[in-house]
Amino acid sequence: EDHLLQSGGGLVPPGGSLRLSCEASGFTFSDYAMNWIRQAPGKGLEWVSALSGSGDATYYSDSVRGRFTISRDNSKSTLYLHLDGLRVEDTAVYYCAKDRLTASFDAWGQGTPVTVSS
Amino acid sequence: QSPLTQPPSVSAAPGQKVTISCSGSSSNIGNNYVSWYQQFPGTAPKLLIYDNDRRPSGIPDRFSGSKSGTSATLDITGLQTGDEAAYYCASWDVSLSDVVFGGGTKLTVL
Repeated sequence: EDHLLQSGGGLVPPGGSLRLSCEASGFTFSDYAMNWIRQAPGKGLEWVSALSGSGDATYYSDSVRGRFTISRDNSKSTLYLHLDGLRVEDTAVYYCAKDRLTASFDAWGQGTPVTVSS
Repeated sequence: QSPLTQPPSVSAAPGQKVTISCSGSSSNIGNNYVSWYQQFPGTAPKLLIYDNDRRPSGIPDRFSGSKSGTSATLDITGLQTGDEAAYYCASWDVSLSDVVFGGGTKLTVL
């Protein structure tokens, strides 16, 4: 069974940085694109970023492009999201998700909260 | 404002059928697949439907999806109190080059 275990996150002041991790098991990690999706408190889902299985193609939403960096280490079956220049509006629960293509995500991490506040 | 529009809430009695709509445009639903997710409070979303109308293994056939033109629907039959959750549609948007989600629909089973 596909499993994604997230770590990282926490409280950070505006302008600060964080790194989120997502360790995969139960499937051949390098065969799949991976995504980060976030959910602000009381709000809906917002796609943030995606990375191809090989790691050579990256995609970002306009709201995070230039501030967030997605990466992966296929030898460790781990996905990362480095968050720089954090803003109050980045406060959300961040989920990693396995991409089965066609904008469908068939495995999700448990979510990790990021709070940006002074 | 999401490019995909869902009703904020729907309700129905146990055992009944409910339909959740997701309206988009030619940039997204009209030319791309739709997926649907179920989310209980405080938990991660779960894939219910992918590629418009296909169910992952383990998803009961009470859940079904369809697409017509620039709109999609999720039907849930034989409603159970355990189906009370938020439901989200999603699709790729070629104009935005983003995955877009609907705003979500809260299902209440009366």
